[in-house]
Amino acid sequence: KAGVTQTPRYLIKTRGQQVTLSCSPISGHRSVSWYQQTPGQGLQFLFEYFSETQRNKGNFPGRFSGRQFSNSRSEMNVSTLELGDSALYLCASSPSGEETQYFGPGTRLLVL
Amino acid sequence: GIQVEQSPPDLILQEGANSTLRCNFSDSVNNLQWFHQNPWGQLINLFYIPSGTKQNGRLSATTVATERYSLLYISSSQTTDSGVYFCAVPNMFSGGYNKLIFGAGTRLAVHP
Repeated sequence: KAGVTQTPRYLIKTRGQQVTLSCSPISGHRSVSWYQQTPGQGLQFLFEYFSETQRNKGNFPGRFSGRQFSNSRSEMNVSTLELGDSALYLCASSPSGEETQYFGPGTRLLVL
Repeated sequence: GIQVEQSPPDLILQEGANSTLRCNFSDSVNNLQWFHQNPWGQLINLFYIPSGTKQNGRLSATTVATERYSLLYISSSQTTDSGVYFCAVPNMFSGGYNKLIFGAGTRLAVHP
């Protein structure tokens, strides 16, 4: 089976812009979670989707949002980018969310 | 919420040496995962180990859930083992299994 894929792999944006990141889970996996990794805060949970519904949300401002499509692919959006949003964004998938999570290669976002 | 602490924060080894990484967690959990993050940022699953001991080649892990810790053993280390090792547990008090709380990681450098 193909692993979790994320696009794009690298992205450079300027403050105030918005960005959309995409994640395709392993075939058959219905749960997709998103994490942000920064040197200062480490790995932090953003949100999790299952069957097109957000089931869990981390402590991030409303500028961070996401959605999941009927084929389980997920997107996350960050509006009004700030310098502090520069990070590695990782998505993970699992069959139902209660098992081992498998991570994609990540999207590196740089905000200038 | 649950706290996850990893030690040591940094580890430098000569190729062929053995090492033990530790993960302590502050509350009861019913699963725990170990990951290796390679230099490109990808998180690779090592173990899903709620309790007991598992082995995979030169790596093994033991979780003692009643005492709230897990150990990752690396034997005969190789330069390809370099990277950051994370343990993660689910935040069961805030919607659950799919919301992983990560430790800060142990950064391992293996020199030839």
